[in-house]
Amino acid sequence: EAQVTQNPRYLITVTGKKLTVTCSQNMNHEYMSWYRQDPGLGLRQIYYSMNVEVTDKGDVPEGYKVSRKEKRNFPLILESPSPNQTSLYFCASSLLRTGGHLSTGELFFGEGSRLTVL
Amino acid sequence: QKEVEQNSGPLSVPEGAIASLNCTYSDRVSQSFFWYRQYSGKSPELIMSIYSNGDKEDGRFTAQLNKASQYVSLLIRDSQPSDSATYLCAVNRATDKLIFGTGTRLQVFP
Repeated sequence: EAQVTQNPRYLITVTGKKLTVTCSQNMNHEYMSWYRQDPGLGLRQIYYSMNVEVTDKGDVPEGYKVSRKEKRNFPLILESPSPNQTSLYFCASSLLRTGGHLSTGELFFGEGSRLTVL
Repeated sequence: QKEVEQNSGPLSVPEGAIASLNCTYSDRVSQSFFWYRQYSGKSPELIMSIYSNGDKEDGRFTAQLNKASQYVSLLIRDSQPSDSATYLCAVNRATDKLIFGTGTRLQVFP
């Protein structure tokens, strides 16, 4: 079954305690991205990756790190979490191109990780 | 001005009616446009993509794009209670970044 798997699904942590949210996809997608979703603000992109070893900042990258060492995995790292990073996080992936079009908008989303930072 | 704007709703329609969801965007060079459906507590799910001006139909869904007016819409025919969800409009800028609107909540009542 084609899927994007995120772990953990739920996490409560404390300020400053480093954490990693893992993301793995089994569809051989080149493009992967992290979003956070907050009430009234919608989905905002944190980081994205066009392929292995290629990552770039989205609109809200502060306080986050990512890496793309393997095509299937794209972990999100919070080195020193703060309460303003309490949010619902989604990992997503897509093919880079489909039918001649850039298809990075045709995303498959993971189930989400709800993070609370106290 | 937000880059992608949607009316937050809720938009309430009776079962069997046509639901019309609208989205405007500010970046004139945007090239591709998407509609996602998100049920409460679930992740977004792609339902339509549209790349050219005009209409694109898929089952009960029709996406309409007017680049001159910077406007994209989603029509849902024969609306069902199971269509009740939040619909997210997303726009790819000329760069690789995908920008989402904040969504329109649709309620279909029996």
